Order: sequence, then structure tokens, then C-alpha cells
Amino acid sequence: EIVLTQSPVTVSLSPGERATLSCRASQGVTTYLAWYQQKPGQAPRLLIYDASTRASGIPARFSGSGSGTDFTLTISSLEPEDFAVYYCQQRNNWPPFTFGPGTRVDI
Amino acid sequence: QVQLVESGGGVVQPGRSLRLSCAASGFTFSNYAMHWVRQAPGKGLEWVAVIWNDGSNKYYSDSVKGRFTISRDNSKNTLYLQMNSLRAEDTAVYYCVRGHGYFEDWGQGTLVTVSS
Repeated sequence: EIVLTQSPVTVSLSPGERATLSCRASQGVTTYLAWYQQKPGQAPRLLIYDASTRASGIPARFSGSGSGTDFTLTISSLEPEDFAVYYCQQRNNWPPFTFGPGTRVDI
Repeated sequence: QVQLVESGGGVVQPGRSLRLSCAASGFTFSNYAMHWVRQAPGKGLEWVAVIWNDGSNKYYSDSVKGRFTISRDNSKNTLYLQMNSLRAEDTAVYYCVRGHGYFEDWGQGTLVTVSS
């Protein structure tokens, strides 16, 4: 099973600042990695897939990069609605599909 | 637009069974693989099971294998999760999700609480 590790656990930032979230895989997943955003009381939402492709309707301030074992989600300038929990997920080696434990972006 | 509406959650005693349903609309249901993903209270996301678009293949997480069964009825645009021998650690919000390897569209979830 591929284990995903996310860092930091929590990051405190202000609107307008840049957020850089990390996801590391226990073994290579090529670029088969996605990022999701989850707000309290809501279902997760797909942001990025194949490491760097934005899902439909996702603003350009969200970008993803990386390959192999190290990946980054960048939010270039935080909007108030971006404060949420972010999860990474791999589909390179399944079952199981696995998620990281999440990074909380706090104000 | 894609709509996925789960139902069937509730409070159940350990060892008992429950069946979840997910009504799909807004897309051609029979063209898509479907998943169940769960989230324990205050915890992260855990993939549970996937079923191919035609029902020909099914895969499960180790934590539910042998106890849960995923199925679908393409004539009714409905996905199911039969959960047997429920345990306290199965307590979670269960999401119905559309997608192949990525989870593209999610329902609002249904809460299953396993407690005596």
C-alpha cells in the first residue's frame, strides 16, 4: 500500500498570502496524484489531477506540481474561501486508492 | 449537472447490517465507475470500494473486505453498499463518488453510526 504523508499538518496564513502544501508518497506514483479541498460540513472537491491539471471550474490561483514521490499544491494568493483542509490522493497503485492525512489552512 | 444523493444511513448496533443507496442523475450512470469513500468523525478520507461501470469488477479496502458488498443497478441509476457485521470503527460519513481513478463528483454523504 502506498502511504501519503502531508506537511505541514496545519498552516496559518492571511488572505493574499501564498500557500505551499506538500505531499510525499512512500513509493513513486509517477504523476497519478490528485488534490482535494474540503470545507467544514461539505464533501471534498477535486482541485487538481494528474499532479498538475486543474479540474473543471477551479481558479487559476490553484496549481500543482511534482512527480514520483514529491508533490506540491500552491495557492498563489489566498482568498477567504480557500481556508479549508486539503488532501492528496494517489491512483498509481491500487487497490487501495489512498489519501494523505490532510493539511489544514487556517487564517 | 451531476447529482449523487445517498440514503440509508442511521444508528445500528455492532454486528448488524445496513444498506446504503446512492441515486445518480445528470450523467450517463452506466458509463462510469463508482466508489464509496468514508470519513470518520473529525478524521481523514478513506476509500472503501469501487465497482466498474458494468459491474464486472469490484475491489475493496482490506478494512471492509468480506463484510461489505458494492453493487449497482444501471437500469435504476443507483449504487449500493451492503454493510454486514458492522463494527464501531465503521462509524463514518459515507460518500458516493463518481470517477475512475480520481474522485470527480461527490454526494453530500450519509452518516452511519455503529453503537450499542
